[in-house]
Amino acid sequence: QSVLTQPPSASGTPGQRVTISCSGSSSNIGSNTVNWYQQLPGTAPKLLIYSNNQRPSGVPDRFSGSKSGTSASLAISGLQSEDEADYYCAAWDDSLNGSVVFGGGTKLTVL
Amino acid sequence: QVQLQESGPGLVKPSETLSLTCTVSGGSISSYYWSWIRQPPGKGLEWIGYIYYSGSTNYNPSLKSRVTISVDTSKNQFSLKLSSVTAADTAVYYCARYNWNDGLREGWFDPWGQGTLVTVSS
Repeated sequence: QSVLTQPPSASGTPGQRVTISCSGSSSNIGSNTVNWYQQLPGTAPKLLIYSNNQRPSGVPDRFSGSKSGTSASLAISGLQSEDEADYYCAAWDDSLNGSVVFGGGTKLTVL
Repeated sequence: QVQLQESGPGLVKPSETLSLTCTVSGGSISSYYWSWIRQPPGKGLEWIGYIYYSGSTNYNPSLKSRVTISVDTSKNQFSLKLSSVTAADTAVYYCARYNWNDGLREGWFDPWGQGTLVTVSS
């Protein structure tokens, strides 16, 4: 059971816009920033979005992030076949001595 | 650019200690936090802990009693030891740089190593 809650799956057709949600609590998303990671099949995760809505160099602007209250979302516009991957949200959690918590991951299928 | 590479045994016996090393190349290990993350086969990511180059650490509360992360700045390496392993510790283990901004109290993992599969079995 992950601390952050994501839907296990999502899907869309090429060109479509899809969103993936990430729900947390006041001790994590509610008081800290959210990051998103993309894991292509058989590879290591890669940073996709940091600090809620910032894209690292090289990440297409088709990917965007947002946060409101204790929830966050990742949006992918102009969906492409190469976007088929697992997506994970993560945040700092202030509970106990502080720790990093992840969502369970969302498998995105491009139909 | 900075690259990370995990190394260590791919098979560990139950009750023994898992030991992995991450070698950082293309940049200095100094002035950054360094982390271990694992992923059981077919499952999600779990943060194990991090170490600052100076040696201060923070561990996942659920693993804290069994985890030790250390750093060797002279070799540009940091290491993971996980004791009393069971089959539940079978996973791909990743090392990553944790880009922590103390002023803004935010951080993210980038870059990541390619990962190494460790299987716990007799």
